[in-house]
Amino acid sequence: GAVVSQHPSWVICKSGTSVKIECRSLDFQATTMFWYRQFPKQSLMLMATSNEGSKATYEQGVEKDKFLINHASLTLSTLTVTSAHPEDSSFYICSARVGGNAGELFFGEGSRLTVL
Amino acid sequence: RKEVEQDPGPFNVPEGATVAFNCTYSNSASQSFFWYRQDCRKEPKLLMSVYSSGNEDGRFTAQLNRASQYISLLIRDSKLSDSATYLCVVNMNTGFQKLVFGTGTRLLVSP
Repeated sequence: GAVVSQHPSWVICKSGTSVKIECRSLDFQATTMFWYRQFPKQSLMLMATSNEGSKATYEQGVEKDKFLINHASLTLSTLTVTSAHPEDSSFYICSARVGGNAGELFFGEGSRLTVL
Repeated sequence: RKEVEQDPGPFNVPEGATVAFNCTYSNSASQSFFWYRQDCRKEPKLLMSVYSSGNEDGRFTAQLNRASQYISLLIRDSKLSDSATYLCVVNMNTGFQKLVFGTGTRLLVSP
């Protein structure tokens, strides 16, 4: 089946620094990727939809200048958390859909960010 | 009202038991529905899609009730390995396609 790989799987950083998370589709091309955030015991919340070659679409309440998304190729999307603060500590997961709007969603392994 | 609502549980059941989860959704124009399984600190993985006529995959049965706007997941003969969080996912048609996740229902199967 389709594989989505995410890196790094966990990262610890100091407050004020920026962190980049990569999401790759390994055996298929993904014109659209999705970035989610999940806090403990809560559901996955869609942060933004990443579109290859164009600007990402952000969900309401998500700061586009803080969470920079770049989708420069059909197999790679990146999420950069800029000037991270402790409240940004969370589980960030990317996904890509195979087979159109009703297709299966494949998730990356997730990246656990801890901001000290 | 939340777009997708699930009972968070946990549901504690013994091995071999039958357990059912429900999930309600708010948007009547929603087009497709899924159940995902998420193990602790792992990414969600597709368990099964939910079809209008209902569908079964081994011990798992999914059903959709459009009139009442809910989907259900039935697990028969529970195994220890079924212990996980089950996420209800709805593809809402709000002018564009949007997948919305429920908070998940936690299942604990004990020996």
